[in-house]
Amino acid sequence: QVQLVQSGAEVKKPGASVKVSCTASGYTFTTYAMHWVRQAPGQSLEWMGWINGGDGNTKYSRKFQGRVTITRVTSASTAYMELSSLTSEDTAVYYCAAPTTATTARYDAFDIWGQGTMVTVSS
Amino acid sequence: QSVPTQSPSASGTPGQRVNISCSGSSSNIGIRVVNWYQQVPGTAPKLLIYNNNQRPSGVPDRFSGSKSGTSVFLAISGLQSEDEAEYYCAAWDDSLNGLLFGGGTKLTVL
Repeated sequence: QVQLVQSGAEVKKPGASVKVSCTASGYTFTTYAMHWVRQAPGQSLEWMGWINGGDGNTKYSRKFQGRVTITRVTSASTAYMELSSLTSEDTAVYYCAAPTTATTARYDAFDIWGQGTMVTVSS
Repeated sequence: QSVPTQSPSASGTPGQRVNISCSGSSSNIGIRVVNWYQQVPGTAPKLLIYNNNQRPSGVPDRFSGSKSGTSVFLAISGLQSEDEAEYYCAAWDDSLNGLLFGGGTKLTVL
């Protein structure tokens, strides 16, 4: 079935970096973009950026520009999100999400989400 | 920056109809399509409505979306206990050149 499977929970110290993976199956990874969204405890969703699964072009939220890097390995149908210079404010669940049809892609509608990866930043 | 505004909470009894609103601006909802997501606590969000009023396959027709100017509305009819969740609107913002999510509305089924 169509699914996104993310890597496991991480605990990092302030100033460190974290890299989260997201492996797609059940659809053609290179056809659609992969987005990253995070959710701090008790807070709303926050879009971080996306990568074009085909050509690897990226676009980042201004808030995270310079601190986030999204990459992909097409042979493994896997996208990665790396966030650097972590602070306690980065403690959150990080999701990958994607459209998987031409229709949902047209409207940037994410019809599939990963299970989420909890990243805890603590000294 | 204008994050779409949602009422923090809404409630209803089983069988009732509830409406959830999301108010944006001329740089996002006013000129872009809106998608709605449902998030049950402890789980990932789920696409509920896309392109303002379209339902993905598998979403019951009890859920409907509409748009007027810089506001969008999610209506849930025949409320059921499993509808208890957080609901988020989302729209691209041309000023920020990024995707914005609303603050979320927590729906309680009494």
